[in-house]
Amino acid sequence: ETGVTQSPTHLIKTRGQQVTLRCSSQSGHNTVSWYQQALGQGPQFIFQYYREEENGRGNFPPRFSGLQFPNYSSELNVNALELDDSALYLCASSLGLAGETQYFGPGTRLTVL
Amino acid sequence: AQSVSQHNHHVILSEAASLELGCNYSYGGTVNLFWYVQYPGQHLQLLLKYFSGDPLVKGIKGFEAEFIKSKFSFNLRKPSVQWSDTAEYFCAVNARNAGNMLTFGGGTRLMVKP
Repeated sequence: ETGVTQSPTHLIKTRGQQVTLRCSSQSGHNTVSWYQQALGQGPQFIFQYYREEENGRGNFPPRFSGLQFPNYSSELNVNALELDDSALYLCASSLGLAGETQYFGPGTRLTVL
Repeated sequence: AQSVSQHNHHVILSEAASLELGCNYSYGGTVNLFWYVQYPGQHLQLLLKYFSGDPLVKGIKGFEAEFIKSKFSFNLRKPSVQWSDTAEYFCAVNARNAGNMLTFGGGTRLMVKP
């Protein structure tokens, strides 16, 4: 069984740029959730995708967007990067929507200069 | 909207000491409850979860947690910690009618001295 993988591991961008982060869900999982974990804080929910459609969104502006593909892998896109976007971005996969356990990937560390 | 509070931000214990980490949530409806652990350099891993039934749940590595509905609490316990338990611990809540969204607490950083 393959776990959740994310790429890249680290990324450095400058303010105003755009970034795309990628996630491959655990085998058999059809739901992907994205979280932002700022330094010293707990993860915060960004949004969730179920069967290629957004199914819930946290308190993040529209410049945070995403996609889920037919193989259930997912992308997180962030436009017009701001310094406060510097964080660890976590992807989690699960099977379905009824509160099933989410399995997390190692994260992508984004630094915005 | 739900929220989660973890009152202990940093805890330092000696090996063999007992551990209890507090977690309180605010939400009026039915919830699923989780404890995740993040060991240094590793990704978040599930320690244990509560969905329904016996409010005392046992997880991996000797951890357990008790759901007390009247107190909106889900405290994590371990009778005797080891140096390898040094990690950051996160409590998380999922409201049953909110899809699969997790709301996390701020985390508790545990250091166990050998």
